[in-house]
Amino acid sequence: DGGITQSPKYLFRKEGQNVTLSCEQNLNHDAMYWYRQDPGQGLRLIYYSQIVNDFQKGDIAEGYSVSREKKESFPLTVTSAQKNPTAFYLCASTQRPGTEAFFGQGTRLTVV
Amino acid sequence: QKEVEQNSGPLSVPEGAIASLNCTYSDRGSQSFFWYRQYSGKSPELIMFIYSNGDKEDGRFTAQLNKASQYVSLLIRDSQPSDSATYLCAGWGSNSGYALNFGKGTSLLVT
Repeated sequence: DGGITQSPKYLFRKEGQNVTLSCEQNLNHDAMYWYRQDPGQGLRLIYYSQIVNDFQKGDIAEGYSVSREKKESFPLTVTSAQKNPTAFYLCASTQRPGTEAFFGQGTRLTVV
Repeated sequence: QKEVEQNSGPLSVPEGAIASLNCTYSDRGSQSFFWYRQYSGKSPELIMFIYSNGDKEDGRFTAQLNKASQYVSLLIRDSQPSDSATYLCAGWGSNSGYALNFGKGTSLLVT
């Protein structure tokens, strides 16, 4: 079945540590996105990529980095510069702008 | 001003009643709108999408779009306890670049 796979489901980060969240899709979608969700909040856009080797900052990109070396993969690194990284992270993809976003199952990141 | 606005609720309705969820948007260039349902701790799942003015029905769900008033709504008929979730409104528009803009979501409780 086609879909988006995020891993791990739960991730714990120590202070000052960088961590990478994985996102893989087999939907053959060109566009991929990373959103962050805090309790009681909607989804806020971190980064998006419309095509391989190209990506753009979203509304809250500070403290995060991404890469898009393959169409299927869009990993997100939460760096030590992100001071409040505890949140639910969602990866999504779309077939083309204007259409529905498909979501992975999410990664819950907690700082310990 | 946030581009997509929703009342956070909670909205409480009795089982079997109609639940009405509302959303407004600021970008007049927005062309397509989506309603997602999100259970606690889970990722959003698409319920309805609507591109044209008017109503669109799918089973117990009806999406309504009024571009003149910049208003989108979702009606859930015969509400069930399993409908209890957070409902996220999202839209594409000329100001949102190439990503969906989400509202904060409305929490629905069916009792």
